[in-house]
Amino acid sequence: EVQLVESGGGLVQPGGSLRLSCAASGFTFSSYWMHWVRQAPGKGLVWVSRVNSDGITTIYADSVKGRFTISRDNAKNTLYLQMNSLRVEDTAVYYCGRSSGYDRIDYWGQGTLVTVSS
Amino acid sequence: QPVLTQSSSASASLGSSVKLTCTLSSGHSSYIIAWHQQQPGKAPRSLMKLAGTGTYNKGSGVPERFSGSSSGADRYLTISNLQFGDEADYYCETWDSNTRVFGGGTKLTVL
Repeated sequence: EVQLVESGGGLVQPGGSLRLSCAASGFTFSSYWMHWVRQAPGKGLVWVSRVNSDGITTIYADSVKGRFTISRDNAKNTLYLQMNSLRVEDTAVYYCGRSSGYDRIDYWGQGTLVTVSS
Repeated sequence: QPVLTQSSSASASLGSSVKLTCTLSSGHSSYIIAWHQQQPGKAPRSLMKLAGTGTYNKGSGVPERFSGSSSGADRYLTISNLQFGDEADYYCETWDSNTRVFGGGTKLTVL
C-alpha cells in the first residue's frame, strides 16, 4: 500500500525557518518524482515544488523561489522541504505527492500544517 | 504557462448526475489533466487522468459512477447516482516541463 506521511509542521515566526519531511513507503521511492503542494486555510490547492527521481532536477513556484529548497534522500525514502524566510502568507497545510514523471499526482499524503505568525 | 478555470460551486440532488467542467487556457487545449476529490477535512484523492481525446484512466478504487470526457479545451468530470459522500471540493490539475497548476476548485453540494 502506498503511504506518504508528512511531518515537521508547526508554529513559526515570520522570517523563521522550518523543515518538512515526507516519509514514503509501499513503492519504489527512487522511481518517482515528488511534489509539495500547499493549501491555505479555506483556499484551493497550490503547487509549490517538484524534484525529479534523481534528486538533481528541481523546480519551484515563483512565490517560493529562493526561499524554499526541495530535496530527497532515496536511501531513506524521504522527501524534504526546507522553508526559510517564512512569511505570513506561507501559512497552509503542506501535502506531498508523487507522480510518474510528467503525469498526474496519483497519491497524496495527509498533510502537515505550517502556521507563520508572531 | 497553462491556466485552469473551474466554476466555484455546483449542486445536484441525491441520486442524480452532475457534470463538472475544467477549462484549459488558450494555447493549451491539448493538455492532459487530472481530477482530484477533496472531502471536507481530508487530503486530496486522485480520481483520474483525462486526455483531450476523452480517454481517461481512473485510480484504483474509484467507483464506476465517476467518468471523464473532453470537448476542445473543456475537460469534464461526470458523477452519476450522486451520494452524500460525493459532497466535496473537486480540483483539476495539469502540468508541463516548467510548472504544475491546479484549478480553483468546484465545491459540490449534494441536495
